[in-house]
Amino acid sequence: DAGVIQSPRHEVTEMGQEVTLRCKPISGHNSLFWYRQTMMRGLELLIYFNNNVPIDDSGMPEDRFSAKMPNASFSTLKIQPSEPRDSAVYFCASSLAGGGGNQPQHFGDGTRLSIL
Amino acid sequence: DAKTTQPPSMDCAEGRAANLPCNHSTISGNEYVYWYRQIHSQGPQYIIHGLKNNETNEMASLIITEDRKSSTLILPHATLRDTAVYYCIVRVHYGGSQGNLIFGKGTKLSVKP
Repeated sequence: DAGVIQSPRHEVTEMGQEVTLRCKPISGHNSLFWYRQTMMRGLELLIYFNNNVPIDDSGMPEDRFSAKMPNASFSTLKIQPSEPRDSAVYFCASSLAGGGGNQPQHFGDGTRLSIL
Repeated sequence: DAKTTQPPSMDCAEGRAANLPCNHSTISGNEYVYWYRQIHSQGPQYIIHGLKNNETNEMASLIITEDRKSSTLILPHATLRDTAVYYCIVRVHYGGSQGNLIFGKGTKLSVKP
């Protein structure tokens, strides 16, 4: 079975450029999460969606970050303009919400982002 | 959500049981205990969860004390591939979703030959 697919796996770009990270959740999952991981702060939730609707974006660091989920099978996380402090590994995760079950989150392999 | 306390690192011999403790003394009655792990350069992987009863699946066992203030994740026969950072997370679940998982620093388990 295909898991959560993230692209690109690695991104190196210069400060000030726009960066777009992509995520395809597991088919049938209706919750999607974006996390960021750094050595200093560990794993932090940035935003999550239920049924394509953003539920909690309190973790989004600032207006330079935006996330969209135009349909159930695709989400993007954009950083514009990018800064060196945005360098991190960005993970996308999906899960199945509802139905009375306690469904785990399934994570992709992440995008390693370096802003020079 | 209740906070958790885990030892920063542990070693285990290959083939032996790995017992990873977690303290969550402020856990409330409707909060679950979840365990995830993160192998180097990969995304976190769900292992197991429980509310108050002990749980077992193909990966591990979860033992929760009667007062629910602490728990232990047991990998019965650790292999080198179990070397990872193990996260214990406590939170309420609603609507069947685990919602916002708050990852602490976890325990770095090193399985040695």
